[in-house]
Amino acid sequence: NAGVMQNPRHLVRRRGQEARLRCSPMKGHSHVYWYRQLPEEGLKFMVYLQKENIIDESGMPKERFSAEFPKEGPSILRIQQVVRGDSAAYFCASSGTGGSYEQYFGPGTRLTVT
Amino acid sequence: AQKVTQAQTEISVVEKEDVTLDCVYETRDTTYYLFWYKQPPSGELVFLIRRNSFDEQNEISGRYSWNFQKSTSSFNFTITASQVVDSAVYFCALSVVSFNKFYFGSGTKLNVKP
Repeated sequence: NAGVMQNPRHLVRRRGQEARLRCSPMKGHSHVYWYRQLPEEGLKFMVYLQKENIIDESGMPKERFSAEFPKEGPSILRIQQVVRGDSAAYFCASSGTGGSYEQYFGPGTRLTVT
Repeated sequence: AQKVTQAQTEISVVEKEDVTLDCVYETRDTTYYLFWYKQPPSGELVFLIRRNSFDEQNEISGRYSWNFQKSTSSFNFTITASQVVDSAVYFCALSVVSFNKFYFGSGTKLNVKP
């Protein structure tokens, strides 16, 4: 059973460019969560999505960040006009049901903004 | 509000020493889950344990043991006879049934020296 997959694993963007991070949940999972880990910090919740719906985006920055989980294909976290402060590891997790007790984490995407 | 505190930012021990990583949590929910994750230098999150709020039994798995005490809202993690391969950042996390997200502590970096 393949785990949660994220790509790319490493992404370098210049300031002002767009970053697209992809997350394929575990097979059979329809709930996806995104977390951000700033350097030397713990993970912070960003957004929770089900297929075609955003359930909770209370942790998303108000501007430049968006997320989607279409009916077909991976979940996408999109960061427009990246700034140096966006440099972080972005982790995706998935669950089969609303996952307060069980979320499977992907390996993360490390975004570096130069 | 939910909160996880890992007061120990960094700990250094010599191989074969025992080490305890502290975790204190806050929540008003009566049903919740506690987790420990290991993050080695490669960056991925390795799941170690999950406990629910109704099970206060301590758990042992090889050199790892966990002490859950609701009276002090603590979920401490002990590594017995530490090894160099235990060097990593360890995160404690909390999830509550009413919110579909994990709350992570800031992590404890463990350095095990030969």
